[in-house]
Amino acid sequence: QVQLVESGGGLVKPGGSLRLSCEASGLSFSDSYMSWIRQAPGKGLEYISDISSTSRSIYYADSVQGRFTISRDNAKKSLSLQMNSLRAEDTAVYYCATLHSSAVEHWGQGTLVTVSS
Amino acid sequence: QSALTQPASVSGSPGQSITISCTGTSSDVGGHNLVSWYQHHPGKAPKVMIFEVTKRPSGVSDRFSGSKSGNAASLTISGLQAEDEADYYCCSFRSPNILVFGGGTKVTVL
Repeated sequence: QVQLVESGGGLVKPGGSLRLSCEASGLSFSDSYMSWIRQAPGKGLEYISDISSTSRSIYYADSVQGRFTISRDNAKKSLSLQMNSLRAEDTAVYYCATLHSSAVEHWGQGTLVTVSS
Repeated sequence: QSALTQPASVSGSPGQSITISCTGTSSDVGGHNLVSWYQHHPGKAPKVMIFEVTKRPSGVSDRFSGSKSGNAASLTISGLQAEDEADYYCCSFRSPNILVFGGGTKVTVL
């Protein structure tokens, strides 16, 4: 059974930084394409970033390009998202997810990030 | 990066069929057979219902089906049941290298 467990969410001031982590189990993590997806309060789902199994290919949505950095450690079966220069509009539940054929196959339960002064 | 276009809400009575549309462009929905659909009950993780336009993951009811024509994709739910009441999102690969979601559709079972 695939489990993705996010951590690291919380309250941060505008302009601040936060690092999210995702621990994976029940899957061949080193073979998995991974992604971060978020949902702002009362809004829809939004793709943030994805990373290939070897970290060779990394992509970002325009809304976070230059501020967020995705990374992975296959030995630890973990995915990270470093978020800098945070804005109020980054307030959302952040989901860790696996991708297969450009579809989200497995989702974590999400971690809430609140950007507010 | 603009989202795919979905109706805000769709409703139907138990047993009826409903269809949710998802309109994009030739850079996403129309250009690739990489459209997926997700069911999202508030407070829970979303669940993939359809991938690659028409394929159902193991365990998903055959009451759910997907299709595509040009720049528009659709999700049809047949034999509507109370448990189908949820938010539904379409998603597509968008050239050259990202994913894009629709704005979401709230399905209400009357």
